[in-house]
Amino acid sequence: KNEVEQSPQNLTAQEGEFITINCSYSVGISALHWLQQHPGGGIVSLFMLSSGKKKHGRLIATINIQEKHSSLHITASHPRDSAVYICAPPSGNTPLVFGKGTRLSVIA
Amino acid sequence: KAGVTQTPRYLIKTRGQQVTLSCSPISGHRSVSWYQQTPGQGLQFLFEYFSETQRNKGNFPGRFSGRQFSNSRSEMNVSTLELGDSALYLCASSDPGRGTEAFFGQGTRLTVV
Repeated sequence: KNEVEQSPQNLTAQEGEFITINCSYSVGISALHWLQQHPGGGIVSLFMLSSGKKKHGRLIATINIQEKHSSLHITASHPRDSAVYICAPPSGNTPLVFGKGTRLSVIA
Repeated sequence: KAGVTQTPRYLIKTRGQQVTLSCSPISGHRSVSWYQQTPGQGLQFLFEYFSETQRNKGNFPGRFSGRQFSNSRSEMNVSTLELGDSALYLCASSDPGRGTEAFFGQGTRLTVV
């Protein structure tokens, strides 16, 4: 059974700060999803990555398959980044197990 | 290109009733997955359908079932509803053949009273 641990669980940051959210998992996988959920429930898939690093705007995701660890970074954070961020190792393209999520609040 | 559409958005049911939720995937996506999200348990995987066949199944009781039609639209059914079934139910579609990521719908918020 794949256990997924995210840290921190809650994070409050000032606008403009650099933010890092970490995800560790126990079973070897080939890829991992990072998801963003805003209040109201809608979920957006930010990244699915299998190696190295991916960048989209101010968001950067890295993964180390051997160390079973991934990080999500947000540069120049903004209040609109406030959301819950969830990591999920998938089976194929399907997330099967989820981290509990990191609740991020960015204060202006 | 239309996104993943879930209907209804909100639903209130009474204990013991049954409910059917619908998910229309992105055009061309053949895989549909269902998830339950509750405050206590977070997001949990229910099942995945691909080409009308259930391909993966999470750890939920038999009261939770689903199906997929030839046009890839999917339904999930919960019978004999319990208070604990109150949750946000999300579906996501993807096209594994193209290696695309999963795209989520807005969810159906089910309240059981």
